[in-house]
Amino acid sequence: GAVVSQHPSWVICKSGTSVKIECRSLDFQATTMFWYRQFPKQSLMLMATSNEGSKATYEQGVEKDKFLINHASLTLSTLTVTSAHPEDSSFYICSARGDGPPRGGQPQHFGDGTRLSIL
Amino acid sequence: AQSVAQPEDQVNVAEGNPLTVKCTYSVSGNPYLFWYVQYPNRGLQFLLKYITGDNLVKGSYGFEAEFNKSQTSFHLKKPSALVSDSALYFCAVRSNTGGFKTIFGAGTRLFVKA
Repeated sequence: GAVVSQHPSWVICKSGTSVKIECRSLDFQATTMFWYRQFPKQSLMLMATSNEGSKATYEQGVEKDKFLINHASLTLSTLTVTSAHPEDSSFYICSARGDGPPRGGQPQHFGDGTRLSIL
Repeated sequence: AQSVAQPEDQVNVAEGNPLTVKCTYSVSGNPYLFWYVQYPNRGLQFLLKYITGDNLVKGSYGFEAEFNKSQTSFHLKKPSALVSDSALYFCAVRSNTGGFKTIFGAGTRLFVKA
């Protein structure tokens, strides 16, 4: 159980293109999903917390107009990188946390990540 | 402020030997502690967690971790390492006083030699 599906796995596109990444919790409902960015040999950097039915909460320094997040249902969140440039190239990982008790005690379950390369 | 420290960038161990990956934390309030493993070009996989109760927690793939409140540590252990255990390991902490926001450590790369 507790599977998170993320796609696409790899994206290579030209500078200026917008790229959408999907994250689905397949067998559980997740009010809250998270989007991370990971640089080579580094830890995860939280970009934003996605809340079903409301606006995402962005971390300091993350441009919300650049990284659009939509969490339209309890099982789907999307991240759109708008007008992507080479510096946006990175490994993006989504995560979902179940809502069961104890509050805040459920582990996060991660997608397999999306490697984005902007030429 | 909450924080997690993984003092070792890399741990090397021979196959069949016991392994330990260290983690210390700092939170106000009661900690919820987690270990995750990441294989190349993959997301993180949940290994085990401590919420309350027994200080020794058993998880997936034969891993276990011991919560030590006085030392604010949550070291990951396995009695006998496998080459396939080679991966990147992350410790994470959450607490109610931190709004249950997860803080990840920097990660420790484990190399198991045959």
